[in-house]
Amino acid sequence: AQSVAQPEDQVNVAEGNPLTVKCTYSVSGNPYLFWYVQYPNRGLQFLLKYITGDNLVKGSYGFEAEFNKSQTSFHLKKPSALVSDSALYFCAVRDVNTGFQKLVFGTGTRLLVSP
Amino acid sequence: GAGVSQSPRYKVAKRGQDVALRCDPISGHVSLFWYQQALGQGPEFLTYFQNEAQLDKSGLPSDRFFAERPEGSVSTLKIQRTQQEDSAVYLCASSKHQGPSYEQYFGPGTRLTVT
Repeated sequence: AQSVAQPEDQVNVAEGNPLTVKCTYSVSGNPYLFWYVQYPNRGLQFLLKYITGDNLVKGSYGFEAEFNKSQTSFHLKKPSALVSDSALYFCAVRDVNTGFQKLVFGTGTRLLVSP
Repeated sequence: GAGVSQSPRYKVAKRGQDVALRCDPISGHVSLFWYQQALGQGPEFLTYFQNEAQLDKSGLPSDRFFAERPEGSVSTLKIQRTQQEDSAVYLCASSKHQGPSYEQYFGPGTRLTVT
């Protein structure tokens, strides 16, 4: 079955410093990978996706993610963190095994950016 | 443009009551998904529609859960005889096209509390 793992429950970083939120995946076939962010009492907002092509994917709000096939990873990165980036981040993979397109989510990583 | 909307945003039900949760997808989006998000967890897939056809309901936890999308637009998730374990946030998402490369856009969710 398709799955993703987010090994860190929480990541702490100081404002202005680079941030990384980790995600590893397990899929059969080609991976379709996504990152979403969730602010309190709000739904998930799409950040970026990897389908094919360049391993470095750029997304919304200055975020980017690096796809690494040999390490089966899709880590989310940002060169300079903002306090407003503090939120819950979810990595997800498209489950194409059934022929449909449901998303399978990780458990989430809480990002805390301190001033 | 308008995003995915859900109503009500909050619902408190006594155990045994029936509830109906509404989702208005982005206009023209053919795919619609329902997810359940328990506290502190990532969303979990419930069911999927392509237009009015329910193509995957493998995630519905019991026969008390029922979803419909009769005209291929608005969808309703109904839970009969609610139980305490049904307490969660129910998220609706829509996607412009069918296919694994298309991102899903999420609504704000309905927080259901069963007392």
